[in-house]
Amino acid sequence: DVKVTQSSRYLVKRTGEKVFLECVQDMDHENMFWYRQDPGLGLRLIYFSYDVKMKEKGDIPEGYSVSREKKERFSLILESASTNQTSMYLCASSSGTEHGYTFGSGTRLTVV
Amino acid sequence: AQSVTQLDSQVPVFEEAPVELRCNYSSSVSVYLFWYVQYPNQGLQLLLKYLSGSTLVKGINGFEAEFNKSQTSFHLRKPSVHISDTAEYFCAVYRGLWSSASKIIFGSGTRLSIRP
Repeated sequence: DVKVTQSSRYLVKRTGEKVFLECVQDMDHENMFWYRQDPGLGLRLIYFSYDVKMKEKGDIPEGYSVSREKKERFSLILESASTNQTSMYLCASSSGTEHGYTFGSGTRLTVV
Repeated sequence: AQSVTQLDSQVPVFEEAPVELRCNYSSSVSVYLFWYVQYPNQGLQLLLKYLSGSTLVKGINGFEAEFNKSQTSFHLRKPSVHISDTAEYFCAVYRGLWSSASKIIFGSGTRLSIRP
């Protein structure tokens, strides 16, 4: 069964810390995405990548950066965590939009 | 800009009753449409998709959706729901003019709760 794996289900970090969220897919997909999910707001795109070392900003990139050094791995970085970044973070991958996205189980991040 | 509107944030339904979750999108060009389901503490899973062809699309778990171009709607239906259908449902749209890396826009979600 194909998979998108997010390294942590729950994470608690302190304000100002640098936070790394890891995502790995085993489907050889070119495209990978990071979303955050908040009640009433649905999913909002933070960053996406369509190839190794390529990245593009989504709708809410402020306060985040990403890294894609290998095709299967897409990392989301919170440079200096703040309480308003407390959220559920979802990673997804795709071989093409017509196939839809495959999502990971999510990382619930709490910044205190 | 394209957008997706899910008209109901919550839908309570009795078990074995029919359900319809409403979704409208705004776009003047051809689109791809999707419905995803998110069970508690899980990621999103693709329920069904419309790319072209027949406007009635069947998905997993007995769900189906109908694409209505004139009303720009893509409502999700199930004739008889079960307790296990309790989840949040997301409608999503992609305007198919970009590269394969282009993004899908998600609605704000509809929480379906099934009462015994």
